[in-house]
Amino acid sequence: QVQLVESGGGVVQPGGSLRLSCVASGFIFSDSGMHWVRQAPGKGLEWVAFIWYDGSNRYYVDSVKGRFTISRDNSKNMVFLQMNSLRPEDTAVYYCVTDGAKGAFDIWGQGTMVIVSS
Amino acid sequence: DIQMTQSPSSLSASVGDRVTITCRASQSISDYLHWYQQKPGKAPKVLIYAASSLQSGVPSRFSGSGSGTDFTLTISSLQPEDSATYYCQQSYNTPRTFGQGTRLEIK
Repeated sequence: QVQLVESGGGVVQPGGSLRLSCVASGFIFSDSGMHWVRQAPGKGLEWVAFIWYDGSNRYYVDSVKGRFTISRDNSKNMVFLQMNSLRPEDTAVYYCVTDGAKGAFDIWGQGTMVIVSS
Repeated sequence: DIQMTQSPSSLSASVGDRVTITCRASQSISDYLHWYQQKPGKAPKVLIYAASSLQSGVPSRFSGSGSGTDFTLTISSLQPEDSATYYCQQSYNTPRTFGQGTRLEIK
């Protein structure tokens, strides 16, 4: 079935790094743009980053530019989020999401929790 | 950035009621507007895409309308399982932005 499964979350100190991974199944991954969306505890949804289906273009929310990098490996049906210089305000559940019709966030993973704390 | 403003922030309604949530964009976004439902501890799921298209598998009591800057999500006959938080989101440009959410409680 159509599925996205994230991994790589955890607890990290401010200034540290984490790499999130998301593996896709059940659809043609190489045809799909991919997003990362996050949700801080008790807060709303925030889009973080987007990568085109072929990896040729990438976009970021201003608050993570220069610190986060989105990438993908179409041979492994995976998308990644490399997070450097982490801040407490990056604490959130991070969701891997497909780019659907008219840019709707179509398929969501279950999320992986990132906690930035000393 | 395009600001998305939802109203109300929360509401309480009874089973069978007709419920409407509105979303306003700070500039015209054509029909690049989508609605999501999120239940506690779960990932959001898309209900309506492109302002008025019902996502496959979503009950027909959900509908969306609007274009430009003003949009609505309507639940025609509220069911107990509709208790959730609802978000609108624009995909007209980046950064993609969400409304602040509307928490819907069943009386």
